[in-house]
Amino acid sequence: DIQMTQSPSSLSASLGERVSLTCRASQEISGYLSWLQQKPDGTIKRLIYAASTLDSGVPKRFSGSRSGSDYSLTISSLESEDFADYYCLQYASYRTFGGGTKLEIK
Amino acid sequence: EVKLVESGGGLVQPGGSLRLSCATSGFTFTDYYMSWVRQPPGKALEWLGFIRNKANGYTTEYSASVKGRFTISRDNSQSILYLQMNTLRAEDSATYYCARDIGGNYAGFAYWGQGTLVTVSA
Repeated sequence: DIQMTQSPSSLSASLGERVSLTCRASQEISGYLSWLQQKPDGTIKRLIYAASTLDSGVPKRFSGSRSGSDYSLTISSLESEDFADYYCLQYASYRTFGGGTKLEIK
Repeated sequence: EVKLVESGGGLVQPGGSLRLSCATSGFTFTDYYMSWVRQPPGKALEWLGFIRNKANGYTTEYSASVKGRFTISRDNSQSILYLQMNTLRAEDSATYYCARDIGGNYAGFAYWGQGTLVTVSA
């Protein structure tokens, strides 16, 4: 089974700050990775698919990238609505979520 | 508009059974894999399994944590996804979500239900 190791598990940052989250895949997933945002009310939204393709309507301050087996989500300038939980999800072989990152306001 | 609405959650005793439903609309149901995902309180999302689309014979796959206890099925005539959960344990307590998985050229998990809460307790 493919494991997804997500880091950090929590992150405290300020408005306007640039932050990056990372998921490392235990096996080759060939870019079959999405990033999801979950708000406190439980609502889940996909932000990025295929490692770097931004979903329609998602602000351009969000971006995704890949370096080998490491996949990153970067938010270029944090806004108040970005403080939420984030998960990566691989869909190359079955499905596996990362452990999540809780992004909090500093 | 794509919609997914889960129902069927509630309180169940350990060892009991429960069937969750996910009513869908706004897309061609048979074109898509459908997944179930759960989230225990305060914990991460966990993929439980999926049922493939018509092109792939509606076959199922499960995570090791629920294989043999949970069964995913679909009513393609009514566009409803099901999760039959048997021999429930306290650690199965979670919010359960359905999600539209891959289909054709579309990557999955763009659409989710609102979740339904399952509590396993005596």
